[in-house]
Amino acid sequence: IQMTQSPSSLSASVGDRVTITCRTSQSIGNYLNWYHHKPGKAPKLLIYGTSNLQSGAPSRFSGSGSGTDFTLTISSLQYEDFGTYYCQQSYSDSGFGQGTRLEIK
Amino acid sequence: QLVQPGVEVKKPGESLKISCQGSGYTFVNYWVDWVRQKPGKGLEWMGGIYPGDSVTSYSPSFQGQISISVDRSISTAYLRWGALKTSDTGIYYCVRHRSSQYYHAMDVWGQGTTVIVSS
Repeated sequence: IQMTQSPSSLSASVGDRVTITCRTSQSIGNYLNWYHHKPGKAPKLLIYGTSNLQSGAPSRFSGSGSGTDFTLTISSLQYEDFGTYYCQQSYSDSGFGQGTRLEIK
Repeated sequence: QLVQPGVEVKKPGESLKISCQGSGYTFVNYWVDWVRQKPGKGLEWMGGIYPGDSVTSYSPSFQGQISISVDRSISTAYLRWGALKTSDTGIYYCVRHRSSQYYHAMDVWGQGTTVIVSS
């Protein structure tokens, strides 16, 4: 299953609403997760099963979609949200998108 | 949590086995996956093992290049290479894979083992 994330990078200001999209080459139902990865640290699970917020993840993060098109939204960007975001399909084995690098202006 | 060694430095052609010890949960009840990050690149799923019965699953990209095993008696999973290449340089994360009828997600990550393969 091919996965395409967009954009590959973006720069936004604190307080902005940010949207990252993930498209899969075939339908994966709701088997889509989102992770946040900061340099020098292990990735963290943010959203599982398309729209479920992982325990401990801030409520400004939300996920939506189904089938082949999915979205991660940050409602009000904070400084600590910098880093790379990955989508991951878990419908057939596993696979990650290429990542979206988020920079804070 | 999942605990991994920090750094391994090896020469091309050498073998290597890195470990991942789980604690704080029932180790045998969750898949343990391995994820690679090459320098400056994204995350790649390599494969995983179910400690309960040692069933394994490998990504086609890594099949035949690695082997994944487990020692239930010490709640530890392993990732092994028979002959390393310089292109194996990267960070290797072990992750706990949580599953239900509606999702499968990597919810606990080790801190990663940096593998450096250089002559």
